[in-house]
Amino acid sequence: DIQMTQSPSSLSASVGDRVTITCRASQSISDYLNWYQQKPGKAPKLLIYAASSLRSGVPSRFCGSGSGTDFTLTISSLQPEDFATYYCQQGYSTPYTFGQGTKLEIK
Amino acid sequence: QVQLVESGGGLVKPGGSLSLSCAASGFTFSDYSMTWIRQAPAKGLEYISYISNTGSGSTIYYADSVKGRFTISRDNAKNSLYLQMNSLRAEDTAVYYCARYIAARGRSFDYWGQGALVTVSS
Repeated sequence: DIQMTQSPSSLSASVGDRVTITCRASQSISDYLNWYQQKPGKAPKLLIYAASSLRSGVPSRFCGSGSGTDFTLTISSLQPEDFATYYCQQGYSTPYTFGQGTKLEIK
Repeated sequence: QVQLVESGGGLVKPGGSLSLSCAASGFTFSDYSMTWIRQAPAKGLEYISYISNTGSGSTIYYADSVKGRFTISRDNAKNSLYLQMNSLRAEDTAVYYCARYIAARGRSFDYWGQGALVTVSS
C-alpha cells in the first residue's frame, strides 16, 4: 500500500496568514493527489483534485501543487472558515490511502 | 443538487451484523462508481469498498480489513448503495461515509454523505 505522510500534524495560524501543508507519498503517484477539508462532525469536502485543479466553488486562496512524491496545499490568506483538518489522498493505486491529517487551529 | 444520505447505523455486539444504506439524488446514479469510506473515532480516513458504475460491469473492491466480512451492492432503480457488514469487530467502530467516485478528477471523492455511526461493543 502507498503510505501518505502529511506535515505538520497540527498548525496554529492567524486570520490572514499564508499556510502550507505538505503531503509525501511513499512512491511516485504522478499527479493522482487530492486534498480534502473536514470540519468537526462533518464529512470531508473535496478542495483540490489531480494535485493542482481547484474544484468548482472552492475559493481561489486554496492552491495545490506538486507531482511524483511531494505535494503541497497552500492557503494564501486564512479566513475564519478555513480552520479545519486537511487530508491528502492518493488515487494512483488501490487501496486509495489518505494522509493522517493536518489540523489547522486558530492562534 | 447532489445529495447522499446514509442510514442504518447503530450499536451492535461483536460478531453481529448491520446493513447500511445510502440514498442518492441529484445526479444519474447509475453513471457513477460509488465507495464506502470510514473514519474511526478521532482517527483518519480509510477507503474500504468500491463498486463500479453499470457501464463498467460490476467491478468491486474491498480493503483487506473488511474483505470476506463486508459486501457492497447497489440498486440503480432505487438510486441506492448498500454495505452489508457481518462478523463485526470492535475495530469496525467508525463513522461510515458513502462517497461518489470520480475517476477523471484524480480518482477523487467529490460528494460525501453525512455519515452513519456504527458502534461495535458488548
